[in-house]
Amino acid sequence: SQQGEEDPQALSIQEGENATMNCSYKTSINNLQWYRQNSGRGLVHLILIRSNEREKHSGRLRVTLDTSKKSSSLLITASRAADTASYFCATDPNTGFQKLVFGTGTRLLVSP
Amino acid sequence: DTAVSQTPKYLVTQMGNDKSIKCEQNLGHDTMYWYKQDSKKFLKIMFSYNNKELIINETVPNRFSPKSPDKAHLNLHINSLELGDSAVYFCASSRQGLNTEAFFGQGTRLTVV
Repeated sequence: SQQGEEDPQALSIQEGENATMNCSYKTSINNLQWYRQNSGRGLVHLILIRSNEREKHSGRLRVTLDTSKKSSSLLITASRAADTASYFCATDPNTGFQKLVFGTGTRLLVSP
Repeated sequence: DTAVSQTPKYLVTQMGNDKSIKCEQNLGHDTMYWYKQDSKKFLKIMFSYNNKELIINETVPNRFSPKSPDKAHLNLHINSLELGDSAVYFCASSRQGLNTEAFFGQGTRLTVV
């Protein structure tokens, strides 16, 4: 299976704390993306990092990419209760056309 | 102004029936997808279409037949539904090319009884 893996599977923190999620994948990639899924809803794109980039920021989000280790991390700083959701990494394998392969997801619970 | 809309949101049907899920995007994207999310939240691509042409078919049973009447629509028809087809099906779209983000619909929760 090409599916990537994320850890932890679940993460429970208090508001104001930082949350870090990790993603590992198996193939060479064009880019890696992170998505958020609120319960019972569709996925929302958070950030895209290209294979030649090592770090990217967007608001309270920081993403790193290590292509030599085939891994990425998502850091959410100063978390809020509204950040409670499942977070998925998705890789776009180097196949010549866009095809997202999703990780197993991390369920984040942020308590007030 | 929903960007990617799917109907219906919920679908409960008996084994053996045939059902369709409709998807429309108003983003002007050339590429559309169907993804399946199982009960463990694993998301897997099923099909990808670019300008009405099938690009990806991820070894999905031929009971599943996507149809793209135009580049803004990608419908999914499922024949002879089985219990194992129960899942949430997501439609998505993106601009053509690499390094583009995907926009997802709200999902259709299919329950086969």
